[in-house]
Amino acid sequence: EDQVTQSPEALRLQEGESSSLNCSYTVSGLRGLFWYRQDPGKGPDFLFTLYSAGEEKEKERLKATLTKKESFLHITAPKPEDAATYRCAVRPSGRLKLSFGAGTTVTVRA
Amino acid sequence: DAMVIQNPRYQVTQFGKPVTLSCSQTLNHNVMYWYQQKSSQAPKLLFHYYDKDFNNEADTPDNFQSRRPNTSFCFLDIRSPGLGDAAMYLCATSRDRRGDGTHEQYFGPGTRLTVT
Repeated sequence: EDQVTQSPEALRLQEGESSSLNCSYTVSGLRGLFWYRQDPGKGPDFLFTLYSAGEEKEKERLKATLTKKESFLHITAPKPEDAATYRCAVRPSGRLKLSFGAGTTVTVRA
Repeated sequence: DAMVIQNPRYQVTQFGKPVTLSCSQTLNHNVMYWYQQKSSQAPKLLFHYYDKDFNNEADTPDNFQSRRPNTSFCFLDIRSPGLGDAAMYLCATSRDRRGDGTHEQYFGPGTRLTVT
């Protein structure tokens, strides 16, 4: 059975304090690992897709990396507007269903 | 801008009174999904349409049904809402081949359902 575990559950950062979020996964035949940002009361916003170990994607202050067992979302010099819940999800081979992690809620103090 | 639109954003219904939530998309994606999300939990897939083919998740209650009259629209019908059905309902779309889900899903803003 597919498993996705995100850590930590919550992350409190000072503005400018860089950090990383972890997404560990067990899946039969990874077809893609996806990162989303979700603000309270809204739907998830797509951030990145990673397909193979060693792949990296960047967008503004966010950088996502992938190994064979986990993915990291690095937040560089966060600003208060980076506060959100970040969710990773995996898609196994042969299925369209996403398996989501529980998410990491990031707060950023100015 | 191409997007996923959900209406209404907030819906209040009475216990047992049928309710329909709607989703439309301008992305021209072939797959549409309905998720249920409670409080801060991960979204839970209810079902999806691959083109016109309906795919139900094994643990989706019979109380939930869906219709997709054309590529752009999809509806979620809750036949007899209970208090436990109060949640955020999210519609999503993707451009995928059957059994080969490599593309990202794009989510709408959600409909917050309250059951009184």
